[in-house]
Amino acid sequence: SQQGEEDPQALSIQEGENATMNCSYKTSINNLQWYRQNSGRGLVHLILIRSNEREKHSGRLRVTLDTSKKSSSLLITASRAADTASYFCATDAQQAGTALIFGKGTTLSVSS
Amino acid sequence: DTEVTQTPKHLVMGMTNKKSLKCEQHMGHRAMYWYKQKAKKPPELMFVYSYEKLSINESVPSRFSPECPNSSLLNLHLHALQPEDSALYLCASSQKLGSLAKNIQYFGAGTRLSVL
Repeated sequence: SQQGEEDPQALSIQEGENATMNCSYKTSINNLQWYRQNSGRGLVHLILIRSNEREKHSGRLRVTLDTSKKSSSLLITASRAADTASYFCATDAQQAGTALIFGKGTTLSVSS
Repeated sequence: DTEVTQTPKHLVMGMTNKKSLKCEQHMGHRAMYWYKQKAKKPPELMFVYSYEKLSINESVPSRFSPECPNSSLLNLHLHALQPEDSALYLCASSQKLGSLAKNIQYFGAGTRLSVL
């Protein structure tokens, strides 16, 4: 079952522009992760933010987390054509023994 | 080595065939996962093994049969599949299953399955 909803579902931008995608979830979490998937390939972990953190950076990625609104955003700055991919948020519920739950994903297209 | 290796990369099978998908990791991870992914959809969890024991089965039809022979290997046995089972099958592993651990998952490249 999916608990995350990303928006937008699809995003098209030019190289050099910033891309922002959002994720909302339903249950309390321990942490939230973002993954990237290039077409027809496996997912690659990008960044993890704990429930007690509000913002985290990794290179050109910036993630925010608002647990009161049960939402997160992923910002990719100075986008490149190689950033073209689908991006998924994933949460793990606070119950022990549960697996990650993936959101529906945002498809990002970066054109040069 | 942060690699999860899946074989085969592509598989075409008839509805009466029996085939197996294989997944291997050497990161010492004790949780391994099978996902099914349809085009333009998120991965859909099928099974989770924790310490080689089946921990989660998301009500998957019995024509899919998982097996974890040891801590590094995960198989998915396929039998009497339907055309709607055509999808990308992804394997993943993580250090541990559970909310107290950093549940970062490492994915294989997937097996593209077509059922005719």
